[in-house]
Amino acid sequence: DSGVTQTPKHLITATGQRVTLRCSPRSGDLSVYWYQQSLDQGLQFLIQYYNGEERAKGNILERFSAQQFPDLHSELNLSSLELGDSALYFCASSAGPSLYEQYFGPGTRLTVT
Amino acid sequence: QKEVEQDPGPLSVPEGAIVSLNCTYSNSAFQYFMWYRQYSRKGPELLMYTYSSGNKEDGRFTAQVDKSSKYISLFIRDSQPSDSATYLCAMSGGSNYKLTFGKGTLLTVNP
Repeated sequence: DSGVTQTPKHLITATGQRVTLRCSPRSGDLSVYWYQQSLDQGLQFLIQYYNGEERAKGNILERFSAQQFPDLHSELNLSSLELGDSALYFCASSAGPSLYEQYFGPGTRLTVT
Repeated sequence: QKEVEQDPGPLSVPEGAIVSLNCTYSNSAFQYFMWYRQYSRKGPELLMYTYSSGNKEDGRFTAQVDKSSKYISLFIRDSQPSDSATYLCAMSGGSNYKLTFGKGTLLTVNP
């Protein structure tokens, strides 16, 4: 157990809908990262927050947004969902802004029908 | 050319074998190299983390980095069925603000 928690574990929704994924980092970790994992693209970095502020952005679509709250938990919002958004979404955390020792949560499996 | 290339396998070995997993990369600015293990339906787990070239050993695992060849390896000695998983390489460095992952190699260790 990495200490990173993610809810929900599974999510099934329809195209066009909006969902929110939640992540709680390891105790004391200030950085949160979001990733998308699909069979064809592998693990893709979406966005990083450090202590409430956006620090780095990857291949995140404009339909997706995230935030980190004062208690350091983070939410990833996915809107106008498309079939291609079906994937595993992982949250990871690290102690500082450095991205080199990240600890991953168990993931949320999103299915868009 | 993709930044990080990793043979997806699958790789099947008998218990006790030495396993070699590899990645190649194209970005010469990469300086930080990691190996993650991912069991089915679980999140990736950090196994090894090395900086620049050289070797690092941790128990049955050895990570090697050859920056001149842009090639990294993970060796698993005395492989066990519990090592059966997907192994992902990841790297970063220079102005690269993110981890770039390989697509992973699926390893099965047969008892």
